[in-house]
Amino acid sequence: QEELQQWGARLVKSSETLSLNCAIYVGSFSDHFWAWIRQTPGKGLEWLGEINESGKTNYNPSLKSRISISMDTSKNQFFLNLASMSAADTAIYYCARMKSLHFGVSSVPYYIDYWGQGSPVDVSS
Amino acid sequence: IQLTQSPSSLSASVGDRVTITCRASQDISTYLVWYQQRPGKVPKVLIFSTSTLQSGVPSRFSGSGSGMDFTLTINSLQPEDFATYYCQQVKSYPLTFGGGTKVEIK
Repeated sequence: QEELQQWGARLVKSSETLSLNCAIYVGSFSDHFWAWIRQTPGKGLEWLGEINESGKTNYNPSLKSRISISMDTSKNQFFLNLASMSAADTAIYYCARMKSLHFGVSSVPYYIDYWGQGSPVDVSS
Repeated sequence: IQLTQSPSSLSASVGDRVTITCRASQDISTYLVWYQQRPGKVPKVLIFSTSTLQSGVPSRFSGSGSGMDFTLTINSLQPEDFATYYCQQVKSYPLTFGGGTKVEIK
């Protein structure tokens, strides 16, 4: 079983919302950041955003208000919603775990140690 | 923060020493990570905090630098090292990646 297992729609219509899920089988939400990253041949790897154990999110400003990341700690899952999809959003989407670097009582993401298997998403017009 | 990797691709032979550079658009101290991605696979962390080797990564991989200029060196390139390498900065949001360097067999 994969440490992070992701699933969701593979084909999304233009202007609709992409929804992806990621189940955590390695550790728990504690002490990590949980991220979504996508990859395209043209733009390479792009960090989309993250959520931490407290539910605090950080998003890539390039996605403006289209992105939402949430979590369900009871199910050990976190989720990506990306609204108003267009052809430019066609990519492989990955969920990922980032280890934390601690500064006193605060922490920041440090590096990605686990990736989901990837979800190819195509946007149709 | 933009990360510019060079070269974008290179050809090398088994046993060669390979150097890949990553330049940041502003000072990121040592908050730099290197990943390797083999074809059809997910990226794998090689080095974090500029020069700390991830557990299990062969010692022929090394990283150096600080501020804006960073280097990934592969000593004695092995067949399994032919892949694409990415740098990532974790100094500030949004976290960003370099464009990648593809290492191909000469």
